[in-house]
Amino acid sequence: GENVEQHPSTLSVQEGDSAVIKCTYSDSASNYFPWYKQELGKRPQLIIDIRSNVGEKKDQRIAVTLNKTAKHFSLHITETQPEDSAVYFCAASTGSARQLTFGSGTQLTVLP
Amino acid sequence: GAVVSQHPSWVICKSGTSVKIECRSLDFQATTMFWYRQFPKQSLMLMATSNEGSKATYEQGVEKDKFLINHASLTLSTLTVTSAHPEDSSFYICSAREAAEKLFFGSGTQLSVL
Repeated sequence: GENVEQHPSTLSVQEGDSAVIKCTYSDSASNYFPWYKQELGKRPQLIIDIRSNVGEKKDQRIAVTLNKTAKHFSLHITETQPEDSAVYFCAASTGSARQLTFGSGTQLTVLP
Repeated sequence: GAVVSQHPSWVICKSGTSVKIECRSLDFQATTMFWYRQFPKQSLMLMATSNEGSKATYEQGVEKDKFLINHASLTLSTLTVTSAHPEDSSFYICSAREAAEKLFFGSGTQLSVL
């Protein structure tokens, strides 16, 4: 089955700096890659997603890049703010039901 | 985005009892819903895929007789933890797929088995 690896597990940045989280996947048939933000005790919130026919997608301060050949994708957050602090999960959609396989998560802390 | 409602948000029960968790898609129809389990500071682990009108598909290692799933309508899936034990204590969260593969999550249920 699909295996998604995510790095780093923790990331601390100064407010205003950029943050980058990277994921790799194993199943070349995966074609949808969402990113979720989860605050403590709350539901994961979809923040951005990308499909395999696109190399990059941007939404204000958030961008995602995808390298299908290398089977990796990354989340980029620019001009970070304290409210960006949360756990971020990458995921890959695979299987007959297009279920999501999640990465292990990255705890992002933005220091004021 | 689409709204997925999950109830209850938390439940405390005695060992040996059963607990039912409901997941509803409020503003869209979901032929497929997913149930995940999440331990503190860990990722979401897929337990099963719930298909409307048919049997659920369970992931390897998940006991189907322990975690009963019913998806009786296009907007409701239920997860029943039968004969719960302390090791079943966890955060259970459902998700439903809207069009074009976007997955939206319920608010989760924190289960504590005494």
